[in-house]
Amino acid sequence: AQSVAQPEDQVNVAEGNPLTVKCTYSVSGNPYLFWYVQYPNRGLQFLLKYITGDNLVKGSYGFEAEFNKSQTSFHLKKPSALVSDSALYFCAVRAPWGNTPLVFGKGTRLSVIA
Amino acid sequence: DAMVIQNPRYQVTQFGKPVTLSCSQTLNHNVMYWYQQKSSQAPKLLFHYYDKDFNNEADTPDNFQSRRPNTSFCFLDIRSPGLGDAAMYLCATSRDLGDTYEQYFGPGTRLTVT
Repeated sequence: AQSVAQPEDQVNVAEGNPLTVKCTYSVSGNPYLFWYVQYPNRGLQFLLKYITGDNLVKGSYGFEAEFNKSQTSFHLKKPSALVSDSALYFCAVRAPWGNTPLVFGKGTRLSVIA
Repeated sequence: DAMVIQNPRYQVTQFGKPVTLSCSQTLNHNVMYWYQQKSSQAPKLLFHYYDKDFNNEADTPDNFQSRRPNTSFCFLDIRSPGLGDAAMYLCATSRDLGDTYEQYFGPGTRLTVT
């Protein structure tokens, strides 16, 4: 069965600094990987996904993520953090076959401090 | 704008009193999902509809039911809510069941059980 680990419950970063939110996964075969963001009292918003191709994926709001197959990681990055980036971030994985559900990590709360 | 709409945003019900949560979409997506999300945890998939085909997750309690009368609407029925069912309920859609399709989430309904 597929699984996702987000090792950090909380990440704090100063505004203007680069940010990284970590994600590692476990799945048989080539994974489909997703990042979602959740603002307070809101649903999840899709940020980006990796299906195949270039390991560096660019998404919404200046976010990008790098797929690293050897390290089974899919870390979310942004070169310069904004206070408005403060939210809860979820990594998710889906196995590349059949009607498998999307499995979410437990989430990482990002706080960007002015 | 095409979107996923959930009503109400906040719902209070009494212990054991049936409650229905509503979701509608203007995306014309084939798949609709219901997730349960407890405080700062990962969303947990309850079930999904692919068109009219209903798919229940193995660990979803019988207390939770769903209806999809047409493409646009999907309902979550909780037959006898317990205190442990207090959570945010998220509706999501995707274009198809293919593993590459991202999901679009509504803003959620926060359910309180008194």
